Amino acid sequence: DTGVSQDPRHKITKRGQNVTFRCDPISEHNRLYWYRQTLGQGPEFLTYFQNEAQLEKSRLLSDRFSAERPKGSFSTLEIQRTEQGDSAMYLCASSSDRRNEKLFFGSGTQLSVL
Amino acid sequence: GNSVTQMEGPVTLSEEAFLTINCTYTATGYPSLFWYVQYPGEGLQLLLKATKADDKGSNKGFEATYRKETTSFHLEKGSVQVSDSAVYFCALRGNNAGNMLTFGGGTRLMVKP
Repeated sequence: DTGVSQDPRHKITKRGQNVTFRCDPISEHNRLYWYRQTLGQGPEFLTYFQNEAQLEKSRLLSDRFSAERPKGSFSTLEIQRTEQGDSAMYLCASSSDRRNEKLFFGSGTQLSVL
Repeated sequence: GNSVTQMEGPVTLSEEAFLTINCTYTATGYPSLFWYVQYPGEGLQLLLKATKADDKGSNKGFEATYRKETTSFHLEKGSVQVSDSAVYFCALRGNNAGNMLTFGGGTRLMVKP
């Protein structure tokens, strides 16, 4: 069990650029979640995958945001035309099934939009 | 909608002091309640949970009781250690919320030797 890994740990970009983050969940976990956390706040839900299917999306996920999990393993989160308000920590989590309500979180990708 | 409110920090205690971090929630029906902890430089980890009224979750000396009548899930520990210094997040998952967790804003705990 190597845990949930996220790449990169830090990303600095200029406003208007596109960025992509990657999440590798724990290998046997079929459920994958993306959250966003700003300084001093708790994580806010963005989206959820079960295997390769994206089953839930938050209203926070504007049309500039897109997430994929093409083979039901790793996932990517892309933000197009970044804005300063997108600056946050982007967290990925995984779990094995709904009855096991324990989520395993990665350390996150810190995005700074200049 | 669902929401979680927890006491603002930081909470600063001396080692072996008693800890309480308050958490109250708003949700319809009977949500599941959680405490997650984030140690410096690490990802969030589940500390304890309770899935129905009057359940008590416990782990590592921490306890929290699901109080439906007061919509609360306060975190307690009888004797804190320096190693308990972290940020603590209260969270809920509503019955109709799919797999979405709603988190409180977090409470930073600092324990001094």
